[in-house]
Amino acid sequence: RKEVEQDPGPFNVPEGATVAFNCTYSNSASQSFFWYRQDCRKEPKLLMSVYSSGNEDGRFTAQLNRASQYISLLIRDSKLSDSATYLCVVMRGATNKLIFGTGTLLAVQP
Amino acid sequence: GAGVSQTPSNKVTEKGKYVELRCDPISGHTALYWYRQSLGQGPEFLIYFQGTGAADDSGLPNDRFFAVRPEGSVSTLKIQRTERGDSAVYLCASSFGTSGERQYFGPGTRLTVT
Repeated sequence: RKEVEQDPGPFNVPEGATVAFNCTYSNSASQSFFWYRQDCRKEPKLLMSVYSSGNEDGRFTAQLNRASQYISLLIRDSKLSDSATYLCVVMRGATNKLIFGTGTLLAVQP
Repeated sequence: GAGVSQTPSNKVTEKGKYVELRCDPISGHTALYWYRQSLGQGPEFLIYFQGTGAADDSGLPNDRFFAVRPEGSVSTLKIQRTERGDSAVYLCASSFGTSGERQYFGPGTRLTVT
């Protein structure tokens, strides 16, 4: 079983739709939590950090539930440009290494 | 300013050959990480440097893989006796310090072993 689990998708949604991604992690020692975005054949880029209090950045809302070891990302009013792979990521250990899920592929259709 | 750079962007090599992959971190970043991303997977941690020393090499798959960072800046990942299973994108990331600061990724080197 992978340390960070995500549904690989693909999620095919129309423009303007709201889409939610979920992720679970198994190591309770994980310290920090993130969503990264990765476009095809490009490097991962930080989308947002995730906090227990929840945080919002424009159309994107992320939430962490430490008790359930569950992380979510909500995208409202999807745009064509949101099409990408969304990687759920935890940071742990004294070296702050990142542990990635396999990613969820989102395809927003016109 | 300049981001993390990696060379070459693509490398095709024959099985059994030796390869070196280079990473130039962001200037002033003391922490440097190597990750490997296979097709359809998320990146997997390989090794971490703080300054010149490899503080965590627990992700290196076997002793064919080795990495150095002799002056605390540029790092080289070295793979001996390459195998087809080594084909992947090798990503380098750097961050400013050791307190969980954001890691910035380079564009990666796509390694293909034929």
